Amino acid sequence: KQEVTQIPAALSVPEGENLVLNCSFTDSAIYNLQWFRQDPGKGLTSLLLIQSSQREQTSGRLNASLDKSSGRSTLYIAASQPGDSATYLCAVIFAGANSKLTFGKGITLSVRP
Amino acid sequence: GAGVSQTPSNKVTEKGKYVELRCDPISGHTALYWYRQSLGQGPEFLIYFQGTGAADDSGLPNDRFFAVRPEGSVSTLKIQRTERGDSAVYLCASSLRVSTDTQYFGPGTRLTVL
Repeated sequence: KQEVTQIPAALSVPEGENLVLNCSFTDSAIYNLQWFRQDPGKGLTSLLLIQSSQREQTSGRLNASLDKSSGRSTLYIAASQPGDSATYLCAVIFAGANSKLTFGKGITLSVRP
Repeated sequence: GAGVSQTPSNKVTEKGKYVELRCDPISGHTALYWYRQSLGQGPEFLIYFQGTGAADDSGLPNDRFFAVRPEGSVSTLKIQRTERGDSAVYLCASSLRVSTDTQYFGPGTRLTVL
């Protein structure tokens, strides 16, 4: 079964800390991987998209890496701020999956002032 | 330009009733997706449209669920004989093309079945 796993489910850090959010997936044959942010009661905001041929993508303080062979991706957040507090979801389009995203359960991040 | 919009934002209905949820994708996006998110879970795929046709409806849980996109733009998700277990946030997304493109999500419709 093709699955995406995010551990831990929750994380609390002090403001200013650099942090890494992990994502693992069961099948290395993927089209792409997306990281999303979700604020309470809101929809999903796309943060970064990594194609299967790419190793990483960067946007501002965010950097996402992809290692298909090990089935892992990491989202690196530099100099975390209280405004970064949200749930971060990793999602994969597996090859042959007709464009449907398979999501992890997310990591709820709290950045303490 | 405008993002993906969904109406209503909240829908409360009674068990056994029929509901329709609407999605307006980003203009020009050919692919449209429906997902369902239960509390504490990631979204789960329901159905995806390429143009007017349903390219993959393998995520629809049963035949009470149906979706249409008659003109290749707006889509409606229809749920018959609603059950309490249908309560969730229904999310719509669109992308310019398929597979390799970013999916942009709407704010969702929170459905509560009493």
